[in-house]
Amino acid sequence: GNSVTQMEGPVTLSEEAFLTINCTYTATGYPSLFWYVQYPGEGLQLLLKATKADDKGSNKGFEATYRKETTSFHLEKGSVQVSDSAVYFCALKIFTSGTYKYIFGTGTRLKVLA
Amino acid sequence: GAVVSQHPSRVICKSGTSVKIECRSLDFQATTMFWYRQFPKQSLMLMATSNEGSKATYEQGVEKDKFLINHASLTLSTLTVTSAHPEDSSFYICSAPRESLAGGVQFFGPGTRLTVL
Repeated sequence: GNSVTQMEGPVTLSEEAFLTINCTYTATGYPSLFWYVQYPGEGLQLLLKATKADDKGSNKGFEATYRKETTSFHLEKGSVQVSDSAVYFCALKIFTSGTYKYIFGTGTRLKVLA
Repeated sequence: GAVVSQHPSRVICKSGTSVKIECRSLDFQATTMFWYRQFPKQSLMLMATSNEGSKATYEQGVEKDKFLINHASLTLSTLTVTSAHPEDSSFYICSAPRESLAGGVQFFGPGTRLTVL
């Protein structure tokens, strides 16, 4: 079936540390891949996306590369800030049963300390 | 600004009552909207796909008679939790995909926290 697996959190880092949040997926066909972020008290927001293999999505210093060979879409940032503290969700979008569906990972909570 | 709104943001009700949650796309039309349920420290669980002009499609294990979905127009979908019980307490989130944007982008509402006493 189709699924998304994320590393379990919480992840606690000091400001300016390097961040990696792992995400792997299983899917039939060729999904689009997304990272969403949920700041405290807010709804989910699209952070970045990639629609085909080898595409790199980037936004606000975050990057993720669509790796078909390893079925992965790991999120990275070179230097995190306190304001990056949030829950990050990896997701895939597939076309099934005549419609698009989005499948989410369990989310990884990031806490950045000053 | 927000492109998908939800109302109410928070609701507390007594067991046995029904609660209606609205989801609106603010500046685009959405023939499809999605309803999710988010448990604490867990992922979003897709409950159903709301389709304008036709019946909603429910995911396996979701009771369609309990979670009534009506896609009244191209900008409005409603979720009604009927005869709510404490185990229905959760955070309900809707989303609307904007397929006109390259690759399609899904916009989420801010969520509705339901507490059933």
